[in-house]
Amino acid sequence: AQSVAQPEDQVNVAEGNPLTVKCTYSVSGNPYLFWYVQYPNRGLQFLLKYITGDNLVKGSYGFEAEFNKSQTSFHLKKPSALVSDSALYFCAVRVGDMRFGAGTRLTVKP
Amino acid sequence: EPEVTQTPSHQVTQMGQEVILRCVPISNHLYFYWYRQILGQKVEFLVSFYNNEISEKSEIFDDQFSVERPDGSNFTLKIRSTKLEDSAMYFCASSDRDSLWQDEQFFGPGTRLTVL
Repeated sequence: AQSVAQPEDQVNVAEGNPLTVKCTYSVSGNPYLFWYVQYPNRGLQFLLKYITGDNLVKGSYGFEAEFNKSQTSFHLKKPSALVSDSALYFCAVRVGDMRFGAGTRLTVKP
Repeated sequence: EPEVTQTPSHQVTQMGQEVILRCVPISNHLYFYWYRQILGQKVEFLVSFYNNEISEKSEIFDDQFSVERPDGSNFTLKIRSTKLEDSAMYFCASSDRDSLWQDEQFFGPGTRLTVL
């Protein structure tokens, strides 16, 4: 069955440092992978997606994600974190319906 | 920037009562979805809707649930007889395309449903 896993409930980084939020997936066939962010009292906002092509996908707010087929991963990255990046991040895979990971809470400290 | 809106933001109801959650998708979008998130758990797909029909639904979306697009702008989720375990945050989403599952969905802020 298709699924995604986010192994970390919480990620803490200092402002200005690089950040990584991890996601691994399990699907049969080609995965369509997405990252969404949720700020307090807001809905999920689309960040980026991987459909095909270049394994490094660039998205909103300076985020990027690297698709790694051999490791079945789609980690979200940003070279220099901002305090305003603090939020809940969800990885999702779509083969039919959208399946979300459990979410990772990112806290960026000044 | 256009956005998906949902009302109410918080709904409290008694077990066994019917509730209707309302959503106004982005105006030129054609595909509509409902998701729920029980506190502390994953966001779960409920149903997708296109061309006035349900296109997909999950095992969660049983006979107690129904969806409707009554007037060309609203998209509603009805729960006929609420149970305690229906307490969750319900998210509506919309998309202008849905070609081979490749297109992103735009989410509303959610309605928190509390069943007492």
